[in-house]
Amino acid sequence: QVQLTQAGGEVRKPGSSVKVSCKSSGGVFSRYIISWVRQAPGQGLEWMGGVIPMFGKANYSQKFQDRMTINADESTRTVYMELRSLRSEDAAVYFCARGGLGNYIDSWGQGTVVTVSS
Amino acid sequence: DIHMTQSPSTLSASVGDRVTITCRASQSINSWLAWYQQKPGKAPQLLIYRASNLVSGVPSRFSGSGSGTEFTLTISSLQPDDFATYYCQQYNSHPDTFGLGTKLEIK
Repeated sequence: QVQLTQAGGEVRKPGSSVKVSCKSSGGVFSRYIISWVRQAPGQGLEWMGGVIPMFGKANYSQKFQDRMTINADESTRTVYMELRSLRSEDAAVYFCARGGLGNYIDSWGQGTVVTVSS
Repeated sequence: DIHMTQSPSTLSASVGDRVTITCRASQSINSWLAWYQQKPGKAPQLLIYRASNLVSGVPSRFSGSGSGTEFTLTISSLQPDDFATYYCQQYNSHPDTFGLGTKLEIK
């Protein structure tokens, strides 16, 4: 049974960057897609991008591809998501999840709250 | 991107009621549809995948149907634990997209 653990909340200023981590335990890590899905306050779910750790190359939603980077560290079973040029609209809960990119999502992290405020 | 339209956005119902939530895709997604349940402050949980396959451990009062562009999630007899927000997700075409959600409230 895979478990995805995310770090605590982050506060950033507009125009800055944030890097959120997601550590996987249990199950197979390298072969499964890890995606990032965000949820703005009171809003729905939005798939942002994903990566298969053993291949390393990430796939992004066109909306985020210019300012987002996802990478995976197989040695620590951790996936990172960096979002740059933050704006107030990026304030959200960011979930890592196993699946997406053509697959249903069967496991979710607990979410990382990102606050963007001057 | 494929647009997913869920209806209704809010549904008021009572314990024991049978309820149905609809999800429509802007183009055919075959059966590549999942349903999730989310409670406040928690991550979503997968209920159904490939339109009608119930995840192990999910109560049998939940069922899903449909293919192409129209899908339904049915709860046959609402229980207190079922009051939550439900989302559909298509994973037929990149990028995966979600409906805006249906909030199931106690009447």
